[in-house]
Amino acid sequence: SAVISQKPSRDICQRGTSLTIQCQVDSQVTMMFWYRQQPGQSLTLIATANQGSEATYESGFVIDKFPISRPNLTFSTLTVSNMSPEDSSIYLCSVRGHGVAEAFFGQGTRLTVV
Amino acid sequence: AQRVTQPEKLLSVFKGAPVELKCNYSYSGSPELFWYVQYSRQRLQLLLRHISRESIKGFTADLNKGETSFHLKKPFAQEEDSAMYYCALSGLSHGGSQGNLIFGKGTKLSVKP
Repeated sequence: SAVISQKPSRDICQRGTSLTIQCQVDSQVTMMFWYRQQPGQSLTLIATANQGSEATYESGFVIDKFPISRPNLTFSTLTVSNMSPEDSSIYLCSVRGHGVAEAFFGQGTRLTVV
Repeated sequence: AQRVTQPEKLLSVFKGAPVELKCNYSYSGSPELFWYVQYSRQRLQLLLRHISRESIKGFTADLNKGETSFHLKKPFAQEEDSAMYYCALSGLSHGGSQGNLIFGKGTKLSVKP
């Protein structure tokens, strides 16, 4: 299993500012992902965080808006840049080990942009 | 296209009644399917996976490739089963990454006393 610490757990931010969310795992994991869950919606994959290289973004998500870092196998950050109210959402970090089917999730960051 | 469909947004049953949460999927290869559950104020966690063919907390789910379904069932619902349930498929992301999960929109199960 893996225990994920994600912070902050929630924040209220002014539009036009940026917020960086941190994800720390208690063990080395192969795969790390960032998801977004908009109000009343399902989880949508933003990107796969790749260690030591640029993240792999899904359609509709770009690096300029959601820069991601992954300096090692246990830590990643997601930045939500130049925020607007439409970015209000829950952002989730998820990890999955190589050859292990189960995915583990952080508790999420509830972001409100005003 | 890879897709997971959960047709019911909300399912309300009485304690002791059978419950079935529906999940259909679209995937071109051999899918890995999961049910995840999120109890109030808790993080998302794995309930069960199709490859294990196990029963967790009285829940079972059988993969039906002919009907492309993976419905979650429990013969006698309990109040503590009230939660948000997500069906998920492990596949290939649009960006080309593997290992991520594709989620359905979720079904909120409410078990009334």
